[in-house]
Order: sequence, then structure tokens, then C-alpha cells
Amino acid sequence: NAGVMQNPRHLVRRRGQEARLRCSPMKGHSHVYWYRQLPEEGLKFMVYLQKENIIDESGMPKERFSAEFPKEGPSILRIQQVVRGDSAAYFCASSPRENEKLFFGSGTQLSVL
Amino acid sequence: AQTVTQSQPEMSVQEAETVTLSCTYDTSESDYYLFWYKQPPSRQMILVIRQEAYKQQNATENRFSVNFQKAAKSFSLKISDSQLGDAAMYFCAYRSGSPGNQFYFGTGTSLTVIP
Repeated sequence: NAGVMQNPRHLVRRRGQEARLRCSPMKGHSHVYWYRQLPEEGLKFMVYLQKENIIDESGMPKERFSAEFPKEGPSILRIQQVVRGDSAAYFCASSPRENEKLFFGSGTQLSVL
Repeated sequence: AQTVTQSQPEMSVQEAETVTLSCTYDTSESDYYLFWYKQPPSRQMILVIRQEAYKQQNATENRFSVNFQKAAKSFSLKISDSQLGDAAMYFCAYRSGSPGNQFYFGTGTSLTVIP
């Protein structure tokens, strides 16, 4: 059973470009979370999704950021018109049910030039 | 929103010795879960231990154990017989028992193991 798969591992974008981060949860997991980690900081919650539904997006910036978890395929975190402040490690985690422990991917390091 | 506080940005321990990492949290809920995650240099987040708030018994996983003080809202992690592979960032996390809730993480404690 493969773990949570995130790709790409590293993503470099220039200011103004779009970044698309992908996350395939563990098999059988229907709950997906996205977190952002800045240097010397903990993980900051961004969004919680279940299949085809956004459950909690209270941590998502109101503009430029969006997330989806379609019926088929991976969850996508999309950042439009990236700025230098978006540079961070973005982690995806999944769980099979509510209140279960999270299984994390290895993260995507986004660097905005 | 709940807050999780880790007041020790860095800790060090001699190999084979014991170290305790502290964590406090703020909540008005009675039903919740607490976790310790480890993040080695590989960046992969690994679950170390989990505690349900309704359980009075402290969770234990091999060399890792917790001291859960519900009234004091304290959840410390004890690592016994420290090994070089224990060197990592350790994050304390809180999750509400109510459905549809996220995990809240502390800012982490960087643990160095001295040979």
C-alpha cells in the first residue's frame, strides 16, 4: 500500500506563474488535508477536503489559492500568480475517516523566483 | 481557534539518555486527540504517538511515552534510551473530536542527539 504521494517534490516558478501541486492519498483514504510550512515554523492548516467537497478552507488565502479533490484523480492545490511569499513547503495528508491519524506525504517545496 | 504551544525551540540529549519535550494546548472542548509527529531531515512527517483525551492512561510506543495532564492541558513526550535516529523536529498536534475539524500544530522542537 503506497503512502501519500505528492508531486512534484520540488517546483520552481517565476512570479506571476501558476503552481499546481498534486497529492494522491493513500488507498482507501477519502479525507485530504493541505498544510503549508515556512522555515522555522510549524505546519499551518490550509484546507480540508473530502471527495468532491471542501469541508474547511478557513486557512486558505482568499485570493489566488484554490483546492479540489475530484471523484477520480489526485487532490490539486493551485496557486495562481505566485509571489515570493508563497515560497514554502506544502504538505498533503490523508486519513481514512474522521478523527483518524494523518498520514503525510513528503511535501512539495515551492520556490518562487 | 485552538492553539498548541511548544516552548522549547531546541533540545539536545546524550545518546542513550532520556529527554522530555513539552507541549501545552488551549481548548474548551472535552473530546479531542493529541499527537506527536516527527519530521527528520527527509521532511517526511511520521506519527510517533497518539492520545485520546478520554483515556486517562498515558500512551506508550516502545521508547516513546507521553505524560498527559488533561487539567493542566499539557502533553509532553518522553524519549527513553535516545538514539541517533531520533534526531528530528518534533511537532505536537491537537485535533477536536468534533467532525469536520482540522489538526492544529505547534511550532516544533528541534532535537539533537549527541553521540
